Order: sequence, then structure tokens, then C-alpha cells
Amino acid sequence: DQQVKQNSPSLSVQEGRISILNCDYTNSMFDYFLWYKKYPAEGPTFLISISSIKDKNEDGRFTVFLNKSAKHLSLHIVPSQPGDSAVYFCAASFDRNFNKFYFGSGTKLNVKP
Amino acid sequence: GAGVSQSPRYKVAKRGQDVALRCDPISGHVSLFWYQQALGQGPEFLTYFQNEAQLDKSGLPSDRFFAERPEGSVSTLKIQRTQQEDSAVYLCASSLEPYRANEKLFFGSGTQLSVL
Repeated sequence: DQQVKQNSPSLSVQEGRISILNCDYTNSMFDYFLWYKKYPAEGPTFLISISSIKDKNEDGRFTVFLNKSAKHLSLHIVPSQPGDSAVYFCAASFDRNFNKFYFGSGTKLNVKP
Repeated sequence: GAGVSQSPRYKVAKRGQDVALRCDPISGHVSLFWYQQALGQGPEFLTYFQNEAQLDKSGLPSDRFFAERPEGSVSTLKIQRTQQEDSAVYLCASSLEPYRANEKLFFGSGTQLSVL
């Protein structure tokens, strides 16, 4: 049973506009949420994270929002750049067993010049 | 090395063959993870090492899968009697500290295994 879901396999956005990538989870006990970015033929790279005790974390053009009541998190990229085109995975972990990440299936973002 | 290195990059195996996948983590990284990524899916946890100790192998799908890290650096994931459902990208990741929540993982580029 998949505990972390990304229901949009792909997203296309114009350069300079906002990209919003969504992620839903089923287990309310998750303690941390992370976003990873993956280019073709490369491994995923860490992008940004958020603790379950927060509802927002910002790093430059990237902001992650967490809505615990809805079990939903989102990644906002503003402004979007062509170099942001990649597959984005959200992941979640438990504090008591934090050596294991649960990943979503990914959203492929295409930023058009 | 500069990053996590995995070899081979691609592996084609006949069903029933044994395969061995290698991971060289970033020098000095204590924690090492193996993940399996099927086509169109996200990575799924297989196993975790802290130095040479395998602390969690709950994600290994069957007893045909075996991982080791005998000297606390290089790790090998071995799959015996490969089946078609083993076809996937196998990702290795490492992190500096004995694992704590929110620790960044550094992933290798993966080994793409195709079982015919």
C-alpha cells in the first residue's frame, strides 16, 4: 500500500511562472517530508525538507507547504526556470525509524522557455 | 570520490542468473542505503547499513536478495536466481552521520538491471 502519492505524473509550466507540485500521504504519523529532484541518468538530489511541526519552509525559489489536516504537501517554485525541468519526488519518514524514506512515484516537470 | 559511484551502469541478465551490483559511497559516509526503483515508480527502500552493520533489511523482497558492506565502505547488492520482476534501477545512497531524521541522502546514478 503506497503511503505517499503523487497523483500528477507530469506538469508543464511556462518559464517565469509558478510551478506547484503536489503530494498526498496517508499516514499521519510521518515526522519529516522531503523533496528530491532527479535529472535523467542521475540519482535523485535533495532539494528541501520540512518537519511535521512546521507548515512552511522556504529556500530561495523553493517553498514547501505542509497541511497536516489534509495530509497534503506542496512544492512551489517561483519563478520557474528551464533548468528546473526534472522529475520531482516527495518522500516521508518517521522519527522512530528515520532510516527509511517512503517515496511518491514522482512528477515530471517541464518548464518551457 | 566526489560522489556516490555505482557499477555497472547497466546490467542485462538472463532469468536465473546471479548478479552483483556495487556501490562506492562518498568517502567517510557512515550510512549507506539501497533502494529499488521500478519503471514509473518512486524508489523503494531495500536495506540500510551503518558502517559494516546491516541495521535494517526489512525492504529486501525475498531471500534471493543479499547485501553486504564488510569493511564499512563499499557495498554489494547480490541478487540470486534473478526473475523478470527484479528488473529495476537499483539506487545506492549514503549520508555522513549515523542516520538521523532529515539527514540528506546523496544518491548514486543507479544500476539499471534488465532480466530477460
